[in-house]
Amino acid sequence: GEDVEQSLFLSVREGDSSVINCTYTDSSSTYLYWYKQEPGAGLQLLTYIFSNMDMKQDQRLTVLLNKKDKHLSLRIADTQTGDSAIYFCAVLPSGGYNKLIFGAGTRLAVHP
Amino acid sequence: DVKVTQSSRYLVKRTGEKVFLECVQDMDHENMFWYRQDPGLGLRLIYFSYDVKMKEKGDIPEGYSVSREKKERFSLILESASTNQTSMYLCASSSGQMNTEAFFGQGTRLTVV
Repeated sequence: GEDVEQSLFLSVREGDSSVINCTYTDSSSTYLYWYKQEPGAGLQLLTYIFSNMDMKQDQRLTVLLNKKDKHLSLRIADTQTGDSAIYFCAVLPSGGYNKLIFGAGTRLAVHP
Repeated sequence: DVKVTQSSRYLVKRTGEKVFLECVQDMDHENMFWYRQDPGLGLRLIYFSYDVKMKEKGDIPEGYSVSREKKERFSLILESASTNQTSMYLCASSSGQMNTEAFFGQGTRLTVV
């Protein structure tokens, strides 16, 4: 089945850019997502990209998709302490029911 | 404001107890999901439902069952709780259309002692 992998931790200085990476195995994945989980909360959708796109930008967020390498990244510009959270990569395989496959999550720590 | 509400934030249960986790959504969504979240493992799908009274096993259904008698409510049942079911449980819902956002509840942290 589909496998989604992410590194578990990332530490950045406030004001720098953060890049969170994700790899997946199913080349037929149609949509790819980034979710954010703040402490004690559920997951909140940050952004998504359709598989026929290479890049999507939304304010401080830039998503890059390399379909050949099955690699997805999330760049957060000007990282702030409020960005400290766990970021989950998720993919939607072909097949319906919006049944997402999640990575393990990357814990982003922002320090002054 | 759209909402997925889980009945409890924290639960402590004894080994062997029958445990019910309740989830209610107010968005008239067709799809509902139960995940468990464990450090280093991310979210793993336990069960999902795409319609009332319909259910499908996810990746880790063993030891769990579900019930969906009404469209807005999806219950996760631990028939006989065990310590390895200590975890964070997340409920989510989405509409039946492709690529719609999945909305998550705030989670239930279950401890089985």
